[in-house]
Amino acid sequence: SQTIHQWPATLVQPVGSPLSLECTVEGTSNPNLYWYRQAAGRGLQLLFYSVGIGQISSEVPQNLSASRPQDRQFILSSKKLLLSDSGFYLCACERQGSLRNEQFFGPGTRLTVL
Amino acid sequence: AQSVSQHNHHVILSEAASLELGCNYSYGGTVNLFWYVQYPGQHLQLLLKYFSGDPLVKGIKGFEAEFIKSKFSFNLRKPSVQWSDTAEYFCAVNSNRDDKIIFGKGTRLHILP
Repeated sequence: SQTIHQWPATLVQPVGSPLSLECTVEGTSNPNLYWYRQAAGRGLQLLFYSVGIGQISSEVPQNLSASRPQDRQFILSSKKLLLSDSGFYLCACERQGSLRNEQFFGPGTRLTVL
Repeated sequence: AQSVSQHNHHVILSEAASLELGCNYSYGGTVNLFWYVQYPGQHLQLLLKYFSGDPLVKGIKGFEAEFIKSKFSFNLRKPSVQWSDTAEYFCAVNSNRDDKIIFGKGTRLHILP
């Protein structure tokens, strides 16, 4: 079964600084990968998803970006963080080709922008 | 566009009470439906799912959900809750043609011992 690693677990960054959150997946190949932001009262907001290396779909216009340099690596980035970027970021994966669309979630990264 | 509505943002119940969390979705085609749960300090995990067949779906820990197509609903139920059911519950929907799952805003369930 797949395992999802997210790094770092927590992060405190000043406004205007860059960001790089990493997600790596084990136990599956060619998965669909997702970045979500979880905020209290707002549920899970899909930010980006990727169906393959170099393929990124953006769901919400903002100052964040995503990249998928390797099959099982998904990176969330920003050149300049805003206060509103604070939140809990979750990476998820889904087996490619599966009709079941069950997603498996990582432990998350708590980002605080000061 | 697909959307998911969870009517209750915060529910407080006593142990042994019956539970029903509402979920309605907006999508005209064939859908797959999910309930995810996040226990305090743990990962988000799948509670149950519906793809086809019997509209009454049984999940882990005594939970069940019923898909009512005419009402675009997929309510989560449990006849007798326990303190350990305290968690946040998310309803989600997608279609077989879509790579995305759309989540509701979540319902925080607090069970009083």
